[in-house]
Amino acid sequence: GQNIDQPTEMTATEGAIVQINCTYQTSGFNGLFWYQQHAGEAPTFLSYNVLDGLEEKGRFSSFLSRSKGYSYLLLKELQMKDSASYLCAVRDFGNEKLTFGTGTRLTIIP
Amino acid sequence: GAVVSQHPSWVICKSGTSVKIECRSLDFQATTMFWYRQFPKQSLMLMATSNEGSKATYEQGVEKDKFLINHASLTLSTLTVTSAHPEDSSFYICSARDLNKNIQYFGAGTRLSVL
Repeated sequence: GQNIDQPTEMTATEGAIVQINCTYQTSGFNGLFWYQQHAGEAPTFLSYNVLDGLEEKGRFSSFLSRSKGYSYLLLKELQMKDSASYLCAVRDFGNEKLTFGTGTRLTIIP
Repeated sequence: GAVVSQHPSWVICKSGTSVKIECRSLDFQATTMFWYRQFPKQSLMLMATSNEGSKATYEQGVEKDKFLINHASLTLSTLTVTSAHPEDSSFYICSARDLNKNIQYFGAGTRLSVL
């Protein structure tokens, strides 16, 4: 089984940088995903990490440390449209299932 | 554009009726698809794993006779909510894994309201 923990809510200012942390415990790790979900919509894929290190994609970056069971999603140059929930999900080794954290509801203020 | 198509996006039905939701992978073949359920302000809860050509694997606590899953082809899985009741009202989301990209993509979701 898996245990995934991320903050419930965060607030950040437009134009600033915010880091959303995710810690996990798993019996068999096969990748960590970050998704963005706006209210009433399905999740959209942001990033995927399976090896340690930083993956950068435009304004979004994701970091993984497998030994620490830790990941973060870094959002730069925040825009009002970045207000959404950010879901951390871990995939089990041996099957395809994703287990999601509770999600972090990010609010961007002017 | 969307790589996983889900229909309908919104459905209202009477209590006791059945509702079918379709999930299609558009640009890739998916031997495995997933069905999730999400309540307001909560995260996604996996209901079942849909396997092409074989029976679905249900998560603990999910009634297989109530939530019928059929994975008829490598691009289509369906979820039928049988004898729906108001407590089945929820947001249902499917996903499929693109093996070439090793990424799981989600459909747009279906909002089910049972009166």
